[in-house]
Amino acid sequence: GAGVSQSPSNKVTEKGKDVELRCDPISGHTALYWYRQSLGQGLEFLIYFQGNSAPDKSGLPSDRFSAERTGGSVSTLTIQRTQQEDSAVYLCASSLIYTEAFFGQGTRLTVV
Amino acid sequence: QKEVEQNSGPLSVPEGAIASLNCTYSDRGSQSFFWYRQYSGKSPELIMSIYSNGDKEDGRFTAQLNKASQYVSLLIRDSQPSDSATYLCAVRGGSGTYKYIFGTGTRLKVLA
Repeated sequence: GAGVSQSPSNKVTEKGKDVELRCDPISGHTALYWYRQSLGQGLEFLIYFQGNSAPDKSGLPSDRFSAERTGGSVSTLTIQRTQQEDSAVYLCASSLIYTEAFFGQGTRLTVV
Repeated sequence: QKEVEQNSGPLSVPEGAIASLNCTYSDRGSQSFFWYRQYSGKSPELIMSIYSNGDKEDGRFTAQLNKASQYVSLLIRDSQPSDSATYLCAVRGGSGTYKYIFGTGTRLKVLA
C-alpha cells in the first residue's frame, strides 16, 4: 500500500484479555519498528525487525509482549493478560535500511 | 543523561518569525538524524532527515547537524499557526543499532 497501515485504530479490552495489533508496512520496506506512546509521553521503542528476524527486542517491557513478522511484511504485536498500564498508542513504522522511517496512524489501546 | 534531549517547551513564536528547535544526543557513533512533527492525537510525520555535518534546506525548513558538538537543530522560517505541533528529534545508528531513539519533543506554538 501507499503508507503504513495499522489495525485496529482503536481497541478497548478488559484487563486480563489478550490483544493482537497488526501492522502492514510500506511495500518493499525491509525494516519494521514498534513503538509505544503513553499519554503526553515520548516514543518508547519496543522491537525492531529486519526481514522476519528481530535483532533488537530490547524494549519489550515484559514477557507478556511478543511480536512476529511473516513474509518480510505484516507484523503482529501480541499483548497477553493485558494490564491497565498497557494502555497507550502503539505505533508501527517501516523503512528501507539506512533511510527514513514512516509511521502508521497507530492503534489506541485502552485496557479497562 | 538521556540519549536524546530536547527542551519540552512550549516554545512560542509570533507568526512569520523563525522558530529554532534544538536537540542534543549522547551517542557519538550515531549516523542518521531526523525531525518529525506530531500534531495532537496524530502519529509522527517525517519533516527532514540529515546525515552529514552542515545545513540541509527543504522549503521553510532547515536542519543543521554538528556531529562534533552532538547537536541537531531545526529552523522553521516564516512560521505559521499550522506549524503549531510537537517536534520530535530522532537519532539512529549509534552503538551498532538500527533503532530510532526519540527525544521527548518540543511543543511549538505559533501565535497569530
